[in-house]
Amino acid sequence: AQSVTQPDARVTVSEGASLQLRCKYSYSGTPYLFWYVQYPRQGLQLLLKYYSGDPVVQGVNGFEAEFSKSNSSFHLRKASVHWSDSAVYFCVLSAVPAYKVIFGKGTHLHVLP
Amino acid sequence: GPKVLQIPSHQIIDMGQMVTLNCDPVSNHLYFYWYKQILGQQMEFLVNFYNGKVMEKSKLFKDQFSVERPDGSYFTLKIQPTALEDSAVYFCASSLRGGYAEQFFGPGTRLTVL
Repeated sequence: AQSVTQPDARVTVSEGASLQLRCKYSYSGTPYLFWYVQYPRQGLQLLLKYYSGDPVVQGVNGFEAEFSKSNSSFHLRKASVHWSDSAVYFCVLSAVPAYKVIFGKGTHLHVLP
Repeated sequence: GPKVLQIPSHQIIDMGQMVTLNCDPVSNHLYFYWYKQILGQQMEFLVNFYNGKVMEKSKLFKDQFSVERPDGSYFTLKIQPTALEDSAVYFCASSLRGGYAEQFFGPGTRLTVL
């Protein structure tokens, strides 16, 4: 069965520090992977997506993610976080046809000013 | 960027009543979705809708649930009658294409069933 695991429910980092949010997926076929961010009282916004090709994908606001088939992972990274990056981050797998997506539980990122 | 709106942001109703959640999708989008998120749990797919029809639904999409988008107006999720376990945040999304296309999400409607 397909699944997405975000092992860290909460991550706290200081402004200017580097960041990695972890995502592991389970799927036997070719995964289509996304990272979304949700700011308070707003809808989810797409940060980046991976379909194929270069395993390192660039997203908005300096975020990038690296796909690893051998590790079944799609970790999100940022070199230097800003306090405005505080939000909930969702790793999402689209692995079946007919438009279904599978969400991770989300990681609450808190950036200390 | 394109925005999806949801009305209302919060709805409180008594168990057994009917409720309609409204979604104003991105104007040129053709595919529409509802997701349910119970507090502290994962967001889960409910249903998707295209060309006036339900394309796929999950086991969470009970018989009491229905969706429609009459004449290009709001995309609605109706629950009749409601049950206590329907309390959750419901997210609407829309996309221009189906398959693996990017979905644009609304801010959610928090439904509380008493």
